[in-house]
Amino acid sequence: KQEVTQIPAALSVPEGENLVLNCSFTDSAIYNLQWFRQDPGKGLTSLLLIQSSQREQTSGRLNASLDKSSGRSTLYIAASQPGDSATYLCAVRHRTGGATNKLIFGTGTLLAVQP
Amino acid sequence: DVKVTQSSRYLVKRTGEKVFLECVQDMDHENMFWYRQDPGLGLRLIYFSYDVKMKEKGDIPEGYSVSREKKERFSLILESASTNQTSMYLCASSQTSGRAPLNNEQFFGPGTRLTVL
Repeated sequence: KQEVTQIPAALSVPEGENLVLNCSFTDSAIYNLQWFRQDPGKGLTSLLLIQSSQREQTSGRLNASLDKSSGRSTLYIAASQPGDSATYLCAVRHRTGGATNKLIFGTGTLLAVQP
Repeated sequence: DVKVTQSSRYLVKRTGEKVFLECVQDMDHENMFWYRQDPGLGLRLIYFSYDVKMKEKGDIPEGYSVSREKKERFSLILESASTNQTSMYLCASSQTSGRAPLNNEQFFGPGTRLTVL
């Protein structure tokens, strides 16, 4: 059974610091991995999608890497800002052999960037 | 721009009531999903649909049913609401793998915070 873990559960950093969020998964048979951001009481916003054949994806100050063999992904945020404060979720699309598109989510890292 | 909308942001219902949560997407996506999100448990899949009138159970379907009569609309139904169904409900949609094998991102709606008293 695929399980997704995110460590740490919460993180507080001063503004301007570079930081790394971690995501690990137990089964390397994944189709892709997606990072989301969730603001309090809101839905999820997709940040980056990495296909299983890729090693990393970049969008602005965000860089996500994927090491499928070790079951790990990291989300790197450069020059953090107070507006980056949110919960960050990773999710893997597990290869089930079918046409379905189920994502399995981690429980998230709550990030607070202090001004 | 991609858009998934949900009928209500906040909803308060009484135990035993029948509750309908509506989700609409304007991206012509085949797949639609209903999740619930609870502290410490993360997002859990309730039901999903990969075509009109098609549905499959997710990980926690008990106490719920769904309806997909049109491609753009996916409804979650609580036949008889209970207090343990108080939660944040999130709808999502995605393109099917066959048509877009390299890009099947899920796009989420804003969520409905349901409280059952």
